[in-house]
Order: sequence, then C-alpha cells, then structure tokens
Amino acid sequence: KAGVTQTPRYLIKTRGQQVTLSCSPISGHRSVSWYQQTPGQGLQFLFEYFSETQRNKGNFPGRFSGRQFSNSRSEMNVSTLELGDSALYLCASSLGAIGGTDTQYFGPGTRLTVL
Amino acid sequence: DAKTTQPPSMDCAEGRAANLPCNHSTISGNEYVYWYRQIHSQGPQYIIHGLKNNETNEMASLIITEDRKSSTLILPHATLRDTAVYYCISDRGSTLGRLYFGRGTQLTVWP
Repeated sequence: KAGVTQTPRYLIKTRGQQVTLSCSPISGHRSVSWYQQTPGQGLQFLFEYFSETQRNKGNFPGRFSGRQFSNSRSEMNVSTLELGDSALYLCASSLGAIGGTDTQYFGPGTRLTVL
Repeated sequence: DAKTTQPPSMDCAEGRAANLPCNHSTISGNEYVYWYRQIHSQGPQYIIHGLKNNETNEMASLIITEDRKSSTLILPHATLRDTAVYYCISDRGSTLGRLYFGRGTQLTVWP
C-alpha cells in the first residue's frame, strides 16, 4: 500500500506571495491532518479534515487555510507569506475514527523557505 | 500542551538494546500511548502504540507499567539507522487529528 505523499518536496517563495501544498493520503484513509514544524516551536497542529469538512483547527492565523476533496486528497494554502512561515509542513492521514485508536501516518513533508 | 515527559537525549551502542523512557503520569483510562520517531528532516514514522498491555512488533517493544503512568520503548538491537528523535504521545482518539508532540528524545546510536 502506498504511503502518504506530499508535493512539492521543496519550495522557495518570497515574502508576500502565497503557496499551496498538496497531500495525498493512504488509500482508504479519510482524515488528513496538517502540522508545521520549526526548530523553535517543534511540531504544531494546523488543522484536520475529514470527509471534506474541517473538524479541528490549531492556533494559527487565518492566512493558513486548507481544504479536502472528495477523494480525500488535501491542500493547504498560506497567503501573504512571512519569513516566519519557513518550516517543514507535514501531513498525516488516518482512518478518522473517533474514540479508540486511530493511528496517523505521516508524509515526507514539504520544506518551505520564505526569502 | 504535551502531556508526556521524556529525557532530551540518550545514546546507545550499536547492537545493544535501546530503552527509551516516557512519563505520562496524568494519562486517563482511555488514552493510548503512541511512539513515533523522526529521522532528520523526514516525516515522523509510526512505531508502536498500546493501551494497557505490552506490545511488540517488528520494530520495537512497548512496556507499559501497571499503573500506566510510564512506559518504555525498547529497540532490541539498535543500529546506526535508529538514530532519530523519538516522540512519546498519549492520545484518546477523540482529538480529531491533533497529536501533541513534545520535544522528544534524541537517540544517538554509536558504532
């Protein structure tokens, strides 16, 4: 079974631009979560989507948004990029069950550099 | 918001067992203990999880104390490729995708 894939793997943008990152979950998984990882803050939760609906959201400004398609693929968008948005962006997929165990599997990440 | 405590770093000789501890003294009855690891700049890799009983898979063993306040991840024969940051996470499956990652333990395996 193929794992979680993320595209692109590396991205360089300048301040003020916007960026869209893509995540394809493991086949059969309906939940996609997004995380930002920086050296200073570690891994921080951005949001989670299940069946095209955002179910949960972390403490990030509105410049960070996402969506999920009917095939469970997800995109996240960051508008008006700031230098501090430079980070490794990770997505994880799971079945999306509530309660009990619901293991998340992570993709390789997209390394975003903002100049 | 991480509810687990891990030592910041450990090292281990290649071929020896690596025992990584985790304290989760406030864990509730329906929370699972998950372990992930992250090799530099890659996505976290799922290792193992458990609720009450000890668990073993092809990668590692998980020993959970009877009171469930702590656990130990055991890599039985560590190799250089096991050098990574190991994260211990408690999750009750109702957090809708949000896993709380602490700083983890940097395990260095030396030859």
